[in-house]
Amino acid sequence: DTGVSQNPRHKITKRGQNVTFRCDPISEHNRLYWYRQTLGQGPEFLTYFQNEAQLEKSRLLSDRFSAERPKGSFSTLEIQRTEQGDSAMYLCASSLGLADTDTQYFGPGTRLTVL
Amino acid sequence: AQSVTQLDSQVPVFEEAPVELRCNYSSSVSVYLFWYVQYPNQGLQLLLKYLSGSTLVKGINGFEAEFNKSQTSFHLRKPSVHISDTAEYFCAVSWNTGFQKLVFGTGTRLLVSP
Repeated sequence: DTGVSQNPRHKITKRGQNVTFRCDPISEHNRLYWYRQTLGQGPEFLTYFQNEAQLEKSRLLSDRFSAERPKGSFSTLEIQRTEQGDSAMYLCASSLGLADTDTQYFGPGTRLTVL
Repeated sequence: AQSVTQLDSQVPVFEEAPVELRCNYSSSVSVYLFWYVQYPNQGLQLLLKYLSGSTLVKGINGFEAEFNKSQTSFHLRKPSVHISDTAEYFCAVSWNTGFQKLVFGTGTRLLVSP
């Protein structure tokens, strides 16, 4: 069990550019979650996958955001035409998915800075 | 709307003193309750969780929390803190929506000084 990993850890981009983040969950974890955390706030739910199926999306996830989990393993989160308001820490979590009470294990996050 | 409130943004305390971090949530209907800790430049780590049963829950690092349904609270306590407990603490609630969508509070920074 190597834990949830996220890459890159830091990303600085200019407004209008596209960025993509990757999350590798704990192996055999069926559920994968994305959260966003802005300065001074708690994490906010963005979206959730059960295997490769994206089952829930928050209204925070505008049409510039897209998340995929093509083979039910790693996931990517892409932000198109970044805006300064997208600057935040993007957190990924995974859980076994056997029960709704499974613990979510969080990765270290990707910190995005949009200039 | 479902919400989680952590009224204290920062709690300063001396080493070996007791501490309580407060958490209230908006509805008592079928909830699961969690406390996470976040150390600098690290991800969130689960301290403890309440799913059902005994209202007093014990977690890692000597922390415990008590679920109070009538007051819709889930306060975190530790009888004697260490310098290493300095971190950000987040209360989170899941309203049993069929999957575990966590709603977090804004966090409480615990500052332990010698």
